[in-house]
Amino acid sequence: DAKTTQPNSMESNEEEPVHLPCNHSTISGTDYIHWYRQLPSQGPEYVIHGLTSNVNNRMASLAIAEDRKSSTLILHRATLRDAAVYYCIRDKFYFGSGTKLNVKP
Amino acid sequence: DVKVTQSSRYLVKRTGEKVFLECVQDMDHENMFWYRQDPGLGLRLIYFSYDVKMKEKGDIPEGYSVSREKKERFSLILESASTNQTSMYLCATLPGLGGAGELFFGEGSRLTVL
Repeated sequence: DAKTTQPNSMESNEEEPVHLPCNHSTISGTDYIHWYRQLPSQGPEYVIHGLTSNVNNRMASLAIAEDRKSSTLILHRATLRDAAVYYCIRDKFYFGSGTKLNVKP
Repeated sequence: DVKVTQSSRYLVKRTGEKVFLECVQDMDHENMFWYRQDPGLGLRLIYFSYDVKMKEKGDIPEGYSVSREKKERFSLILESASTNQTSMYLCATLPGLGGAGELFFGEGSRLTVL
């Protein structure tokens, strides 16, 4: 029973927006949704988190569905440096296999 | 800034050897975690600790043990390394279990068991 479901891979063009989806249909009312990303040869790093409302920070935006069963990480203008594996987690410790984002110049 | 330091970036060991992977953090976080990462499988939780001398099993504890004698240090132990434990190992810390705290990761230790 996967706690989150993400596409294995996505592709984007540089300087275009990217929408990375995540399904977490069994989320409880108190679970935060966290997103992390992992650049090549590095440990994962925190991107953003939210509970119910949409959130923005300097790295990205997080759009959370009204029923909280899904969320979308939005990179407003993808750069080559955004090429990474993006993980959506709803249980703070448990990661899935993530989405590998490829950014084309 | 939080610093999570893993003692070795690369290790090569032989089957049957005892292996210690060390993780040290400098921010007084209560919780520490060990993950392994394999292609196509993402990060899988091996063990975590929410206090000194306390530990909890994650999804894949078999073949591993841990030690947390001091708050800042969390060790992963492979009592008898096997080739299927060849992997990238990641340590992480978390300031508190409740709320919205974020995990801080080390750079990883790539272990090869021959």
